[in-house]
Amino acid sequence: DQQVKQNSPSLSVQEGRISILNCDYTNSMFDYFLWYKKYPAEGPTFLISISSIKDKNEDGRFTVFLNKSAKHLSLHIVPSQPGDSAVYFCAASVGGGADGLTFGKGTHLIIQP
Amino acid sequence: NAGVTQTPKFQVLKTGQSMTLQCAQDMNHEYMSWYRQDPGMGLRLIHYSVGAGITDQGEVPNGYNVSRSTTEDFPLRLLSAAPSQTSVYFCASSYGETSGYGYTFGSGTRLTVV
Repeated sequence: DQQVKQNSPSLSVQEGRISILNCDYTNSMFDYFLWYKKYPAEGPTFLISISSIKDKNEDGRFTVFLNKSAKHLSLHIVPSQPGDSAVYFCAASVGGGADGLTFGKGTHLIIQP
Repeated sequence: NAGVTQTPKFQVLKTGQSMTLQCAQDMNHEYMSWYRQDPGMGLRLIHYSVGAGITDQGEVPNGYNVSRSTTEDFPLRLLSAAPSQTSVYFCASSYGETSGYGYTFGSGTRLTVV
């Protein structure tokens, strides 16, 4: 039973346009949501997070939106750059992450020149 | 400031052998955890720790042991390696709330069991 789902294995976006990555979850106990970026042969890199009491968090080109009623979150990247090409993982935690993170399967974002 | 250091980077084991994957962090983080990543899968939690002397099981703990004798180190032991344990293993650490609950990950250990 997958508690965090990323239903798009890949996404192709033109350079300069907006990239929107989606994530759904089933566990209502999740109270923190995070996005990670991963390049091949490297560990995941933390991008941005959002508490379940908020509906939006912004950091530079990255914005995460949370819709609790729909159990859905999304990551917006504006504008998309070639260096954004990577695998993006959505993750969630209960109790502030002390018990580790639950990850989705990832979305491979490809930025086309 | 090295962050999270994992050794070795690559390892080949024979079925039935045991080994320890090392993980060390120099950020004085309380939370640490181990994950494995398999093709087409996200990262799955093996074991985690909320502080020295405290460990608990994650989603896929079978075949693995951990201990946390110091804040800095969190080794993962494979008791009797099996081909199903062929994977990339990541160790991570976090301050918790002060870091937005974001975990810092090591660069991984690629393990092959033959």
